[in-house]
Formats: sequence, structure tokens, C-alpha cells
Amino acid sequence: NAGVTQTPKFQVLKTGQSMTLQCAQDMNHEYMSWYRQDPGMGLRLIHYSVGAGITDQGEVPNGYNVSRSTTEDFPLRLLSAAPSQTSVYFCASTSGTGEPYNSPLHFGNGTRLTVT
Amino acid sequence: SQQGEEDPQALSIQEGENATMNCSYKTSINNLQWYRQNSGRGLVHLILIRSNEREKHSGRLRVTLDTSKKSSSLLITASRAADTASYFCAISGYSTLTFGKGTMLLVSP
Repeated sequence: NAGVTQTPKFQVLKTGQSMTLQCAQDMNHEYMSWYRQDPGMGLRLIHYSVGAGITDQGEVPNGYNVSRSTTEDFPLRLLSAAPSQTSVYFCASTSGTGEPYNSPLHFGNGTRLTVT
Repeated sequence: SQQGEEDPQALSIQEGENATMNCSYKTSINNLQWYRQNSGRGLVHLILIRSNEREKHSGRLRVTLDTSKKSSSLLITASRAADTASYFCAISGYSTLTFGKGTMLLVSP
């Protein structure tokens, strides 16, 4: 049982490049989410999904796309990277059982992204 | 969405001492959760306390919740060097889970 797995661990992009951050969980969790963590800002929710085929925006969705074709995977796409997207990105999941925000989140170890 | 605010921002203690961190918030909540983050790692869930609970324990951790004061505290007793980490409270409203900016705890041997 690997939990939540994020790849890559580190990535450097040039402004304007696109990339996909991968997130996979093997706990059969319905709810998955992406956060970014910046110094002095805490964690901010980017997008979330309550099940396959369902996604919604969080607090800071601009510049990011997501899709949820399977229960296990929830990739985050940067369409045209900007220096403001330099951050550490965390994927998290929970079983939720209809109330995802009332259940503990399981986090991956993050992807550290630098945009130059 | 509302954000919990942890206090203090940083705390430095010696091994064996107790560490207390506080979290304040502004609106009504479903529950409040505490997480730990070691350097370079993801967050790890510690305790969830529901809005109708006042106190919960887990090993050396004790969490209290005072909904009238809109505040919670996390107490770590008999701290160890391995407790060195950042600690975050997360506020669960009716459609959001919002994290504070965290308290950095340093436990020196």
C-alpha cells in the first residue's frame, strides 16, 4: 500500500512551457485534491475531485487544469508555466464517504516546481 | 473560505518540555484538524476534533476546542527531537478544508 504517490519530485520549467504533475493513490479514495504551498502562505487549494469524472475549482485554479478519468489518478496540468507558479505542489486524498472535508487527508510528498 | 491562524509562528524548546500551539478561526466549523509536516515531506494527519467535542487525546498529543472562543490548541507533552516539524491546523467548513500558515516547532536535544 503506497498511499499517495506524486511524480516527479523536482521539476524546472521555462516560462511558457507546459507539463503535467502526476498523482496516484491506491486506497480507493473518492476524493482527491491539489494544493500549492508557498512560504508564508500556507496551503492553498487549487482543484479537487469528489469522484471519477467530477472536478471543481478551489481557491487558486487559474493556470491549472485537472481531469479525473479513474479513481486512482488525478493529474494536474500547467498549460503555460509562469514564474508565479513556482511552488511546492501537494496531492491529497481521502475516503470522504460523502463528506470529504470531515475526513483526514492523506498527502503525497510533493513536487517542487521552479519556473524560470 | 476561512483560514485558521496559528500562534506562535515559531517555537523553540528543549527535549522533555511541553509544546503548545494555538489556532484561531473566524466562522463556524464542522471540525478542526491538526497536521504535522516534516521538512521536505507531505503533511501527516494527527487529530480531528469535531465541533461538538471539547478535547481529544492521541498518545502524547492533546487537542482542545473552544467553539465559543473560536480557538483550538495542540499540546505535545514530553517533546522529543523527532517532534521538530511544522504544525498546521485545518478548518473544515461546510464545503472547504482550509489550512493555516503553520507553527514551526524546534525541539533541541
